[in-house]
Amino acid sequence: KNQVEQSPQSLIILEGKNCTLQCNYTVSPFSNLRWYKQDTGRGPVSLTIMTFSENTKSNGRYTATLDADTKQSSLHITASQLSDSASYICVVSYNNNDMRFGAGTRLTVKP
Amino acid sequence: DTGVSQNPRHKITKRGQNVTFRCDPISEHNRLYWYRQTLGQGPEFLTYFQNEAQLEKSRLLSDRFSAERPKGSFSTLEIQRTEQGDSAMYLCASSLDGQANTGELFFGEGSRLTVL
Repeated sequence: KNQVEQSPQSLIILEGKNCTLQCNYTVSPFSNLRWYKQDTGRGPVSLTIMTFSENTKSNGRYTATLDADTKQSSLHITASQLSDSASYICVVSYNNNDMRFGAGTRLTVKP
Repeated sequence: DTGVSQNPRHKITKRGQNVTFRCDPISEHNRLYWYRQTLGQGPEFLTYFQNEAQLEKSRLLSDRFSAERPKGSFSTLEIQRTEQGDSAMYLCASSLDGQANTGELFFGEGSRLTVL
């Protein structure tokens, strides 16, 4: 069954600290994996995309990794800021046109 | 602002009433998607259009849900005889054909429905 599981469900960290969010998937055939950031009450916004051949990609303080063999991805946030408080959603594309959304990780950054 | 526009942003209705949401995609985008999102969950796919053609509607939640995109531009999502379980955020997203295959969707701000 094509599924996307994210962990943890929620996370609270102090401003300035680093954190890592996880995404495991079972979808097949894999096309790509994208991380979205969703602020409360807003629509999701794409942060980064990972294709099959890519292991790591950075976007500012965000670094995504992909292990296509184990079907796992992570999103690492460095030197967190209050504005990083949001839900982070992993979306896996497969079959060239289908997508599966994870339930998201709710991150809260406290001062 | 040339992003995806949705309205109304908030709708409160009584059970049994019909509601309609509108989505205006980014102008050059030919694909338009509707999702439903409940608290603490990721978006749940409902249906999508390529131009005016509705290519997938089997995941609409019931026959009370219907969507149209008559001229291949804006779209409407109608829920008839609303139930309390329909309370959720309804998100619209758009993309170009090529972008859709990379999973890049551009989302609107959503329409939040509360059914009393």
